[in-house]
Amino acid sequence: DAKTTQPTSMDCAEGRAANLPCNHSTISGNEYVYWYRQIHSQGPQYIIHGLKNNETNEMASLIITEDRKSSTLILPHATLRDTAVYYCIVRVGYRDDKIIFGKGTRLHILP
Amino acid sequence: GAVVSQHPSRVICKSGTSVKIECRSLDFQATTMFWYRQFPKQSLMLMATSNEGSKATYEQGVEKDKFLINHASLTLSTLTVTSAHPEDSSFYICSGGGGADTQYFGPGTRLTVL
Repeated sequence: DAKTTQPTSMDCAEGRAANLPCNHSTISGNEYVYWYRQIHSQGPQYIIHGLKNNETNEMASLIITEDRKSSTLILPHATLRDTAVYYCIVRVGYRDDKIIFGKGTRLHILP
Repeated sequence: GAVVSQHPSRVICKSGTSVKIECRSLDFQATTMFWYRQFPKQSLMLMATSNEGSKATYEQGVEKDKFLINHASLTLSTLTVTSAHPEDSSFYICSGGGGADTQYFGPGTRLTVL
């Protein structure tokens, strides 16, 4: 079973920041938080991952709470192309560790 | 990020035939690759772990004789759906580990069995 809980769906206005929450209260000390997204009829796309510090890359920012039981993915300026299902995943940070997907959050960007 | 390709992108076949799907890592070597399938409006479901030079490991409930996996090289894993039936129609996706700690996914293969 997936180790994370996410809202089923969210809306965000184009140009605004999209903040996607994720709860992972049973995360272990050696597990990372990963975020992927899947645009319709495509394979999942890696976005970002982190262990305990906040992370930022060209796509998004990841904010992890101090107790590591929850996190937030931030898309700073959402566009229509960001409409997708976003998956928050907890896994050991080893490249060959399998990924178990939950149901994710369906993000709708509104024009 | 690392690049994974799949071929074909879509395939239509008749019931009872076998279909082979290829998954290639284009800019990295993968001793382990994963195969998933996804039904409409559902999440990805892990089917099996493909291991280079050894047998694949299948998730509970996945028929190993129906979904044959071969990982003959460090850049190629194949999934063969044998004696396909309409209920096997799905979106099949593979992934491989590129870099130190991240899995990268292929674009997927849409299988339709008539």
